[in-house]
Amino acid sequence: SQQGEEDPQALSIQEGENATMNCSYKTSINNLQWYRQNSGRGLVHLILIRSNEREKHSGRLRVTLDTSKKSSSLLITASRAADTASYFCATDSYGNNRLAFGKGNQVVVIP
Amino acid sequence: GAVVSQHPSRVICKSGTSVKIECRSLDFQATTMFWYRQFPKKSLMLMATSNEGSKATYEQGVEKDKFLINHASLTLSTLTVTSAHPEDSSFYICSARVGGSVNTEAFFGQGTRLTVV
Repeated sequence: SQQGEEDPQALSIQEGENATMNCSYKTSINNLQWYRQNSGRGLVHLILIRSNEREKHSGRLRVTLDTSKKSSSLLITASRAADTASYFCATDSYGNNRLAFGKGNQVVVIP
Repeated sequence: GAVVSQHPSRVICKSGTSVKIECRSLDFQATTMFWYRQFPKKSLMLMATSNEGSKATYEQGVEKDKFLINHASLTLSTLTVTSAHPEDSSFYICSARVGGSVNTEAFFGQGTRLTVV
């Protein structure tokens, strides 16, 4: 199906728990990026992982990339209520500076 | 980080009228900007790539006469929804990348909620 048409995954967790979300893609990539979107707002960049990297950390965020499976995961540790948002992965392909977005993951952190 | 400003944040217009949305890069030059459309609880769908000084590149299925894009300067791209209909109601978001190259993050505007009545 065309990218972006699927309903996002939804995850509801208690504050303090870890949140893990996944992303899959179909093409060869130069890098994969994760973005966060609060309801009704624009997107904010979280982290970028290059195709030759397998894991990357930034604060409470941990991203993994498996190019053989064309998948990535984002882990948010010790979640906070303020982490409630939608999280999107986006792929950056060779020869193309456009980002292609995944279906997104809605995360609700309950205080 | 770089700032992209989008205006207006919300607009309500009557069916048949046209609406212009502005996207500005405030502290960097953007030779390329991107326009997305987002349906409720859905992902971002790339509509077109706006190129400074040349014609925009539209994605398959996007009507270029319906969604007019103008990128007249290195800091401003505009999207005009012409002869708007209720089905054009959506959330429109622009973005730009510093230097326009790969391996860089994208900076997004705040989005525009368009409601056509």
